[in-house]
Amino acid sequence: DTGVSQDPRHKITKRGQNVTFRCDPISEHNRLYWYRQTLGQGPEFLTYFQNEAQLEKSRLLSDRFSAERPKGSFSTLEIQRTEQGDSAMYLCASSLPGRGYTFGSGTRLTVV
Amino acid sequence: DQQVKQNSPSLSVQEGRISILNCDYTNSMFDYFLWYKKYPAEGPTFLISISSIKDKNEDGRFTVFLNKSAKHLSLHIVPSQPGDSAVYFCAASPFSGTYKYIFGTGTRLKVLA
Repeated sequence: DTGVSQDPRHKITKRGQNVTFRCDPISEHNRLYWYRQTLGQGPEFLTYFQNEAQLEKSRLLSDRFSAERPKGSFSTLEIQRTEQGDSAMYLCASSLPGRGYTFGSGTRLTVV
Repeated sequence: DQQVKQNSPSLSVQEGRISILNCDYTNSMFDYFLWYKKYPAEGPTFLISISSIKDKNEDGRFTVFLNKSAKHLSLHIVPSQPGDSAVYFCAASPFSGTYKYIFGTGTRLKVLA
């Protein structure tokens, strides 16, 4: 069990550029979640996968955001045409049904 | 609309004493609650949980108390240790098998040696 792995740990990008983050969940976990955390706030739910199916997207996830989980393993979160308001920590978590999440260390995005 | 509230942004406690972190919620549909601990530059780690059918759950130095009528829960850490210094998040969900947790804004605990 190597835990939930997220890559990159930090990303600095210019406004208007596209960015993609990767999450590798714990191998036997079929549920995968993306959350976003801004300064002084708790994590906010973005989206959830069960296996390869994306079952819910938060209204926080605008049309510029897309998440995928091909083959029900790793997941990617892409942000197109980044804005300064997208600067945040993006957290990935995985779990088995009915069990608490295991979070990764997050990807800190800074849009300049 | 903050459904889970942690009204104390920070708390300082002497080593060996009790730390009490509080959390209030507004949604009566919540019936599963969790506490997560977060160190800088790391993701939150699960600490302890409680279902609404209980009013107390204990795990070593950590105890969570739930008062459903007051929509209030608290985390007690006894005795507090310097390594407990972290940000603590309260989270809630409508049922234990659900996928989506609603987190509070966190309380930064500092345990003084």
